[in-house]
Amino acid sequence: EAGVAQSPRYKIIEKRQSVAFWCNPISGHATLYWYQQILGQGPKLLIQFQNNGVVDDSQLPKDRFSAERLKGVDSTLKIQPAKLEDSAVYLCASSSQALSGQETQYFGPGTRLLVL
Amino acid sequence: AQSVTQLGSHVSVSEGALVLLRCNYSSSVPPYLFWYVQYPNQGLQLLLKYTSAATLVKGINGFEAEFKKSETSFHLTKPSAHMSDAAEYFCAVSGKGNKLVFGAGTILRVKS
Repeated sequence: EAGVAQSPRYKIIEKRQSVAFWCNPISGHATLYWYQQILGQGPKLLIQFQNNGVVDDSQLPKDRFSAERLKGVDSTLKIQPAKLEDSAVYLCASSSQALSGQETQYFGPGTRLLVL
Repeated sequence: AQSVTQLGSHVSVSEGALVLLRCNYSSSVPPYLFWYVQYPNQGLQLLLKYTSAATLVKGINGFEAEFKKSETSFHLTKPSAHMSDAAEYFCAVSGKGNKLVFGAGTILRVKS
């Protein structure tokens, strides 16, 4: 079974530029998550999708971050414009349909973003 | 609100020694608890999870954790450390909706 795929793996941009990350979840997984992991911290949930609808985006900085999952499969996370403090690893995860709280989330390898 | 505290940002053990990584949680509802491991430049991999079935949970690679409600703890242990266990370990709590709240992580170093 293929795991969660993410691209690119690394990205370096100047502040105020824009950047986009792509995620392909495990086949059949209805729930998709984007996390931000700043160096020295645990991952923090940015947004959660159930199929193509948003379940939770309470911690997404909506003035600069956006995410979509138009067909309920792949997802794109965008930052525009980027700030220095956005330097982090962006992790995508997926899980099955249920939202019971005990579902295992499967993580991709992440995209490491450096904003200069 | 749910939260997780991992005591010790760095833990160092000798190869063959006991591994003990500490995790305390705060939750207003019965929690589901997880331990994930992260190797350099990789994503997170599930080690084990507690879902209210058994308080002693066994995971992969010889790790286990015990849920203690009275102590609000979910410490991770392994009887004998191996060099390949060197990584960063995250404890997380989840409630309804599957939202994971992670601790800050503990980096495990294994000395030969």
